[in-house]
Amino acid sequence: ETGVTQTPRHLVMGMTNKKSLKCEQHLGHNAMYWYKQSAKKPLELMFVYNFKEQTENNSVPSRFSPECPNSSHLFLHLHTLQPEDSALYLCASSQASSGRLNEQFFGPGTRLTVL
Amino acid sequence: KNQVEQSPQSLIILEGKNCTLQCNYTVSPFSNLRWYKQDTGRGPVSLTIMTFSENTKSNGRYTATLDADTKQSSLHITASQLSDSASYICVVSPQSGYNKLIFGAGTRLAVHP
Repeated sequence: ETGVTQTPRHLVMGMTNKKSLKCEQHLGHNAMYWYKQSAKKPLELMFVYNFKEQTENNSVPSRFSPECPNSSHLFLHLHTLQPEDSALYLCASSQASSGRLNEQFFGPGTRLTVL
Repeated sequence: KNQVEQSPQSLIILEGKNCTLQCNYTVSPFSNLRWYKQDTGRGPVSLTIMTFSENTKSNGRYTATLDADTKQSSLHITASQLSDSASYICVVSPQSGYNKLIFGAGTRLAVHP
């Protein structure tokens, strides 16, 4: 285990549903990330939080809404998604510093299917 | 545009054989280059991290090399095992934006008995 947990592991939702993904890290890190991984494509960075403040929004549609209540927890609220949003959503954490070997630790991901 | 290209896209080898995966990148300047292993249905796990001044790093049967002049890296797997079946992802960290990693699409490795 990497010290980063995600729930649920699998989620199937309709386009009109509202759901949330949860991420929790037990590593004492202060930076957290959401990534989208589609089949045969590189991981796409969605959001970055440093010390609970959003520092990066990589042109993500507003139907994805992140929330970071503290340095250990990160949520991704989903509403009115499209079928093309079906993917593996990965959470990661790291130290929020400019250390050259600043490693990101990933959770197991949530496999999302939008019908 | 900063890019990380990996080859081959997929690879099948027999158990016990060696293999080498390639990564070419255009990210410049860069801080470090990492190789991750991602098992099916799991998140990526770091195998090696190399700074621009390092040219080789080993982790058990995994050996990564880096040529910063040609902007190429390779991951060599020795004496492959069935458990090596996974995707291997090359990741480059630019000097600016230290936490904005740039990912390759990965090489899907299947080790057959």
